[in-house]
Amino acid sequence: KNEVEQSPQNLTAQEGEFITINCSYSVGISALHWLQQHPGGGIVSLFMLSSGKKKHGRLIATINIQEKHSSLHITASHPRDSAVYICASHSGNTGKLIFGQGTTLQVKP
Amino acid sequence: DSGVTQTPKHLITATGQRVTLRCSPRSGDLSVYWYQQSLDQGLQFLIQYYNGEERAKGNILERFSAQQFPDLHSELNLSSLELGDSALYFCASSLSTGGDTGELFFGEGSRLTVL
Repeated sequence: KNEVEQSPQNLTAQEGEFITINCSYSVGISALHWLQQHPGGGIVSLFMLSSGKKKHGRLIATINIQEKHSSLHITASHPRDSAVYICASHSGNTGKLIFGQGTTLQVKP
Repeated sequence: DSGVTQTPKHLITATGQRVTLRCSPRSGDLSVYWYQQSLDQGLQFLIQYYNGEERAKGNILERFSAQQFPDLHSELNLSSLELGDSALYFCASSLSTGGDTGELFFGEGSRLTVL
């Protein structure tokens, strides 16, 4: 059974800090998603990656397939980055995703 | 704006009732996914449709059913509602043909409260 674990569960940072959120999964996957959910509830897809590294603005996502581990980094964090960040693994040839429990990030000014 | 439209945004109903949640995918997206987000279970995949056909099933209860219509909009039907069905129900769409999801575009969700 594939399980997805995130750490930390909660994270508080000061504006400008470098932030790392970790995601581990238990079985081989074909892709991993990072999602952002704001307090209003809406979900936005940040990254989908199957190898290496992707960058979008101040956000960087990396994945190590051998170690079954992915990280989401936020550089120069800002209060507007405050949200829940969720990783989700995908395996097989369907659209089924297995979600982590989420990391709640608060960035203080 | 993701381009995915979900209605209704909020719904309050009583136990034993039946409700229908509707999702219109992004223009051109053939795949539609339904997810449930509850406080105790987090996000869970319910079901995927691709171009009108069921492609994958997750933790969807027998009391729940879904379909995707020829115009690609989808409906999630929840019947014999229980208190534990109270949750946020998200729809997402993608261009994917089913081998993987591709980038997902989420609707704003339908918040269901069962009293």
